[in-house]
Amino acid sequence: GDSVTQMEGPVTLSEEAFLTINCTYTATGYPSLFWYVQYPGEGLQLLLKATKADDKGSNKGFEATYRKETTSFHLEKGSVQVSDSAVYFCALIILTGGGNKLTFGTGTQLKVEL
Amino acid sequence: NAGVTQTPKFRILKIGQSMTLQCTQDMNHNYMYWYRQDPGMGLKLIYYSVGAGITDKGEVPNGYNVSRSTTEDFPLRLELAAPSQTSVYFCASSYPESEKLFFGSGTQLSVL
Repeated sequence: GDSVTQMEGPVTLSEEAFLTINCTYTATGYPSLFWYVQYPGEGLQLLLKATKADDKGSNKGFEATYRKETTSFHLEKGSVQVSDSAVYFCALIILTGGGNKLTFGTGTQLKVEL
Repeated sequence: NAGVTQTPKFRILKIGQSMTLQCTQDMNHNYMYWYRQDPGMGLKLIYYSVGAGITDKGEVPNGYNVSRSTTEDFPLRLELAAPSQTSVYFCASSYPESEKLFFGSGTQLSVL
């Protein structure tokens, strides 16, 4: 079956540090890839997405590139802020017409300190 | 904009009790979902619905039931609560042609 593997946390960084959260996937079809973010006490929100190989998704300074050859979708940000502290989930979807069912990774908690 | 609204936010149940987690959305989305989030396990799909009157099992449906009588509402029923159902539950919705899901803020449930 489809699956998503992402690096375990927590990841603790100082403000303005560079962030990378690794994500790899296995899928029987040709998935679209996502990063969702969950701020404390809230539900998940879509951060960025990419729908085909070599696409780069970006939002709020975060970026991720769909790498089909390495089945990866690593999340990066050049300079993190305290407000980026959250749990980040990598996810994939294969549209089947029978419900857009996301498959999630286990989540990576990011803590950014001053 | 209300989006996806879940109630209650917190609940403690005793083993064997039953309860319904409520979910409503005001975006006229056809697709709705229930996920559970366990520590270190990510989110697992419990049930989903592609429209009123249509529901289907997800990855972990045992111990739960759902109904979808209207487009707006998608309640999740626990009939005989067990400690294994202690989790955070998220409801979500989407358009059929969209891959973007909108999530509620979650219900934290403890079964003791």
